[in-house]
Amino acid sequence: AQSVAQPEDQVNVAEGNPLTVKCTYSVSGNPYLFWYVQYPNRGLQFLLKYITGDNLVKGSYGFEAEFNKSQTSFHLKKPSALVSDSALYFCAVRDEVTGGFKTIFGAGTRLFVKA
Amino acid sequence: DSGVTQTPKHLITATGQRVTLRCSPRSGDLSVYWYQQSLDQGLQFLIQYYNGEERAKGNILERFSAQQFPDLHSELNLSSLELGDSALYFCASSVTLAGMVEQFFGPGTRLTVL
Repeated sequence: AQSVAQPEDQVNVAEGNPLTVKCTYSVSGNPYLFWYVQYPNRGLQFLLKYITGDNLVKGSYGFEAEFNKSQTSFHLKKPSALVSDSALYFCAVRDEVTGGFKTIFGAGTRLFVKA
Repeated sequence: DSGVTQTPKHLITATGQRVTLRCSPRSGDLSVYWYQQSLDQGLQFLIQYYNGEERAKGNILERFSAQQFPDLHSELNLSSLELGDSALYFCASSVTLAGMVEQFFGPGTRLTVL
């Protein structure tokens, strides 16, 4: 079965510093990997996805993620963090089942960006 | 604003009761998904519909059921409610059934069972 793991419950970073939110995956076949962000009292928002092709994927709000097949990782990165980036981040993988797809989310990583 | 709407925003009810949560997908999206978010279980996939048909099932309890109507809106019915059903329930939609497309999430319905 497909799965993703987010090893850090929380990441703290100072504003202006680079940030990384980690995700590792376990899939059979080609992975469809996603990052979503959840702000307080809001639904999830799509940030970026990896389907195939270039290992560096660029997404919304200046975020990017690097797909690493040998390390089975899909870490989310941003060169310079903003206080407004503080939120809950979810890594996800699509799992094909008969007739459709399930989405399996990681436990989430809370990002705190300090001014 | 994702374009996905959910009603009601908040719902408070008692154990043993039945409630219905409603979702309208983005215009043009044929696929609807339901998720449950709770502190102990995280974000759990419940069920997927595509153009009126059930397509994938996750950890959905037998007390829960869903359907997608011809106008593509969807309802999630929760019955014989228990305290542990208290959670945030999200609906999401996507344009197709394919696994590589992103989903657009509604703002959620917060269910409190007393």
